Amino acid sequence: ETGVTQTPRHLVMGMTNKKSLKCEQHLGHNAMYWYKQSAKKPLELMFVYSLEERVENNSVPSRFSPECPNSSHLFLHLHTLQPEDSALYLCASSQDVGGGALNEQFFGPGTRLTVL
Amino acid sequence: GENVEQHPSTLSVQEGDSAVIKCTYSDSASNYFPWYKQELGKGPQLIIDIRSNVGEKKDQRIAVTLNKTAKHFSLHITETQPEDSAVYFCAASHSGGYQKVTFGIGTKLQVIP
Repeated sequence: ETGVTQTPRHLVMGMTNKKSLKCEQHLGHNAMYWYKQSAKKPLELMFVYSLEERVENNSVPSRFSPECPNSSHLFLHLHTLQPEDSALYLCASSQDVGGGALNEQFFGPGTRLTVL
Repeated sequence: GENVEQHPSTLSVQEGDSAVIKCTYSDSASNYFPWYKQELGKGPQLIIDIRSNVGEKKDQRIAVTLNKTAKHFSLHITETQPEDSAVYFCAASHSGGYQKVTFGIGTKLQVIP
């Protein structure tokens, strides 16, 4: 595997379900990110981890719970979601969070989430 | 915080013509401006970037220009091909400590054969 991988690629869940999204980066990067991509909106940054420590929680509802067990893996745990949470969830990694080119984001293919 | 505006939101061009996408930013401290291309079913991928100490950068058929005074930057694609059809995002960030990347809303480019 190379780059950034995400599983599953598609997920349909009911509002009472609990599910998890998984991301893995094979680039040796120190920072990982979760973004939400909705139609006709800019990419919304949700969480940032640097060396397994969360450095940003961008006012995300508690029904989204991130976990970063090591610098290569990132999870997004989902519970009691709402239909408006349906979107493409993108994981990304970067060499560092120091800004500039160190922040070059390498994205995974995303998980298309549908909440019924 | 930084605000990046991008236009147009959709753009259709005939194959072989040029395409231009424009962005403005609000934070004068921003000094790094990447452009990402997102094809259907994939995540965005960096295609070119420019730093604030450079006014123009070119890579084959794509070029970016930066006007720091006016706080705007543009992506130019020449001799467009059908495979250029995708959504393009501009972004801005600056160095120093933790600085997130702020993205524009995206431009859906369609190249008509």
